[in-house]
Amino acid sequence: GESVGLHLPTLSVQEGDNSIINCAYSNSASDYFIWYKQESGKGPQFIIDIRSNMDKRQGQRVTVLLNKTVKHLSLQIAATQPGDSAVYFCAENDMRFGAGTRLTVKP
Amino acid sequence: EAGVTQFPSHSVIEKGQTVTLRCDPISGHDNLYWYRRVMGKEIKFLLHFVKESKQDESGMPNNRFLAERTGGTYSTLKVQPAELEDSGVYFCASSQDLARFYEQYFGPGTRLTVT
Repeated sequence: GESVGLHLPTLSVQEGDNSIINCAYSNSASDYFIWYKQESGKGPQFIIDIRSNMDKRQGQRVTVLLNKTVKHLSLQIAATQPGDSAVYFCAENDMRFGAGTRLTVKP
Repeated sequence: EAGVTQFPSHSVIEKGQTVTLRCDPISGHDNLYWYRRVMGKEIKFLLHFVKESKQDESGMPNNRFLAERTGGTYSTLKVQPAELEDSGVYFCASSQDLARFYEQYFGPGTRLTVT
């Protein structure tokens, strides 16, 4: 079946390094993707989105890349900070979420 | 402006009991969504209200789950009778404009444990 998933369940990085979180999707009809951040004890928070007619979109310290050829989405966080520690979810426009990747930032 | 609130934050019940979860969306948000995350797995959509009407309830797992949104304000999600596999975190989200459904604001979730 069609699904949204993540390659890695956990990611540990040093403070100041860049982080890359990956997400695979299989529904080629999806035209919109969203990244959410969920901190402990809180609900998911919108980070950044991208439409299928774009390959890249940048926000503040975050960049989302979309590769439609291989149906792959990534979230890049520059100069990762301790406050970035959270679970990150990708979602398609029908609000199907991936399982999440836990990012841990080591001081 | 207050965010989306959910009550209770935690609930521990025995199998076979009934639990009712409540969600108060952001004032003025017509769209209200329920999601569930079973431990270690993905967040799954349950249903979507537009005001008091159920727009999409395709994600509701079975008839033990009943969601209501009387008056188009707060919503409740009742599980009766609860089963062990119902354990997880139940999130509620709201959005103002259906055209921008992705701008959903999530509540902190209710952690449900069925023993």
